Amino acid sequence: GDSVTQMEGPVTLSEEAFLTINCTYTATGYPSLFWYVQYPGEGLQLLLKATKADDKGSNKGFEATYRKETTSFHLEKGSVQVSDSAVYFCALGESSGSARQLTFGSGTQLTVLP
Amino acid sequence: NAGVTQTPKFQVLKTGQSMTLQCAQDMNHEYMSWYRQDPGMGLRLIHYSVGAGITDQGEVPNGYNVSRSTTEDFPLRLLSAAPSQTSVYFCASSYSGRDTEAFFGQGTRLTVV
Repeated sequence: GDSVTQMEGPVTLSEEAFLTINCTYTATGYPSLFWYVQYPGEGLQLLLKATKADDKGSNKGFEATYRKETTSFHLEKGSVQVSDSAVYFCALGESSGSARQLTFGSGTQLTVLP
Repeated sequence: NAGVTQTPKFQVLKTGQSMTLQCAQDMNHEYMSWYRQDPGMGLRLIHYSVGAGITDQGEVPNGYNVSRSTTEDFPLRLLSAAPSQTSVYFCASSYSGRDTEAFFGQGTRLTVV
């Protein structure tokens, strides 16, 4: 079945540091790929997405490129801020008939220190 | 626009008790789902629904029941709570389709003692 593997955390960075969170996936079809973010005490919210190979999703300074050849969707940000501290989830989306399935990675806790 | 609303936010149950976690959305989404979030395991799908009257099992359905009588509501029932069901539960809704955004509620933190 489909699966998502994320780099293990937690990750602690200083403000303005470069961020990379690795994500690789296994899927039988041609999934869409997502990064969701969960701030403390809240539900998940979509950060960015890419729906086909070589697409780049971007939002709030974060970027990720759908790499079919390496089955990866790594999240990057050039300069993190304290407000980026959160848990980040990589996910893939598949459709099966009328249903859609989201498969999540285990999440990576990011802490940014001032 | 309220989005996805979950109640309660916190709950403590004794082993063997039953309860219902409520979920409502006001975006007219066809697809609704329940996940549980456990440390180091990400989110795992419990049950989902593709429309009123249609539900199906996800990855970890045992011990949980769902029904979908309206488009808006998708309650999750714990039949006889067990300590292994201590978790944070999230309800989500979306349009159908592999690339659509899922909207999540704020979660219910459940402790079974």
